[in-house]
Amino acid sequence: DTGVSQDPRHKITKRGQNVTFRCDPISEHNRLYWYRQTLGQGPEFLTYFQNEAQLEKSRLLSDRFSAERPKGSFSTLEIQRTEQGDSAMYLCASSLAKGQADTQYFGPGTRLTVL
Amino acid sequence: EDQVTQSPEALRLQEGESSSLNCSYTVSGLRGLFWYRQDPGKGPEFLFTLYSAGEEKEKERLKATLTKKESFLHITAPKPEDSATYLCAVQAAGTALIFGKGTTLSVSS
Repeated sequence: DTGVSQDPRHKITKRGQNVTFRCDPISEHNRLYWYRQTLGQGPEFLTYFQNEAQLEKSRLLSDRFSAERPKGSFSTLEIQRTEQGDSAMYLCASSLAKGQADTQYFGPGTRLTVL
Repeated sequence: EDQVTQSPEALRLQEGESSSLNCSYTVSGLRGLFWYRQDPGKGPEFLFTLYSAGEEKEKERLKATLTKKESFLHITAPKPEDSATYLCAVQAAGTALIFGKGTTLSVSS
């Protein structure tokens, strides 16, 4: 069990540029989540996939954000035309869906700084 | 609206000084309550899942309990390496976790 991995760990970009982050979940997990965390706050839900289907999106997820999970394996989160307000830690989590609550395991995060 | 409130925001303890962190929640249809530990610049690390009132779980110096309105994370005889932010989250009707803002614990030797 190698855990959830994310790439890159840090990204600095200029306002208006596009950025893409990658998440590799724990291999047998069928659910994958994206969260965003700003300083002093808990993580906030953005979107989640069950296998390759994107089943839920938060109202936080503006139309500049898009996420994919081709073939139900890794996932990418793209932010177009970045704004300074997008600066945050972007966290990926995965879980194995069961009958009751499913425990989500988080990756190390990607720290985005928009200048 | 589903909500999670953690208190205190920050807690300073001496090594060996036991204490408790509180997580109160308002949610319809609780499916699970989760505790995570987060070190600066890292992702949350899973500690416990609690499913129903009266349930308790332990791991080393940590013990988590759950009632119908709140959860406590008890820390017994803490050590400096227990210093971190402790996050509480609930899962209700949806699959998304709803997090509190966390309690930042500092343990000095």
